Amino acid sequence: EVQLLDSGGGLVQPGGSLRLSCAASGFNFRGTAMSWVRQAPGKGLEWVSIVHAGGGTNCADSVEGRFTGSRDDSKNTLNLQMNSLRAEDTAIYYCAKHGPWGGFPIDYWGQGTLVTVSS
Amino acid sequence: QSALTQPPSASGSPGQSVTISCTGTSGDVGGYNYVSWYQHYPGKAPKLIIFEVTHRPSGVPDRFSASKSGNTASLTVSGLQAEDEADYYCTSSAGSHQPVLFGGGTKLTVL
Repeated sequence: EVQLLDSGGGLVQPGGSLRLSCAASGFNFRGTAMSWVRQAPGKGLEWVSIVHAGGGTNCADSVEGRFTGSRDDSKNTLNLQMNSLRAEDTAIYYCAKHGPWGGFPIDYWGQGTLVTVSS
Repeated sequence: QSALTQPPSASGSPGQSVTISCTGTSGDVGGYNYVSWYQHYPGKAPKLIIFEVTHRPSGVPDRFSASKSGNTASLTVSGLQAEDEADYYCTSSAGSHQPVLFGGGTKLTVL
């Protein structure tokens, strides 16, 4: 059974940093692309970052230069380092696994971890 | 890259059918057969219900169907049930720099 356990959310001041983690199990983590997706209060889903199998990364323009995705295949863990946080980064952050089909759609999601950026 | 365009809301009575549209461009929806749809109950993890435009993952009822024409994809929910009341999101690949592009979401209400 695929399991994704998000953690690391909390309250942080504007300009601060936070590191999210996702513990994965039940599938071949090393060979699977993983993403972070967020949902701000009252808003829709927004893709944030992808870490491909092998470690290559991309991120959304809205977080470019501030957020960095990474993975530790030895621990089946996905991470998101978030720096220079802004109020508009307040959201539930979901860890997400990409499937094997064309376009590699996300097929499993964690339960999410809440990040609140406020003074 | 702008979000894909979905109607903010849709509704139907139990037993009826409802269709939700998802409009993009030739750089995303129209350029790839990689449209997916998700069902999202507030406070829960989203669930994949359609991938590669028309395919349903195992366990998804065949009341959910989807299609694509040009730059617009559509999700149809037939035989509406109360449990179908949720938010629905479309996504498409938009190239290597934007591997996941979401629609704005549609709140489906079962009257």
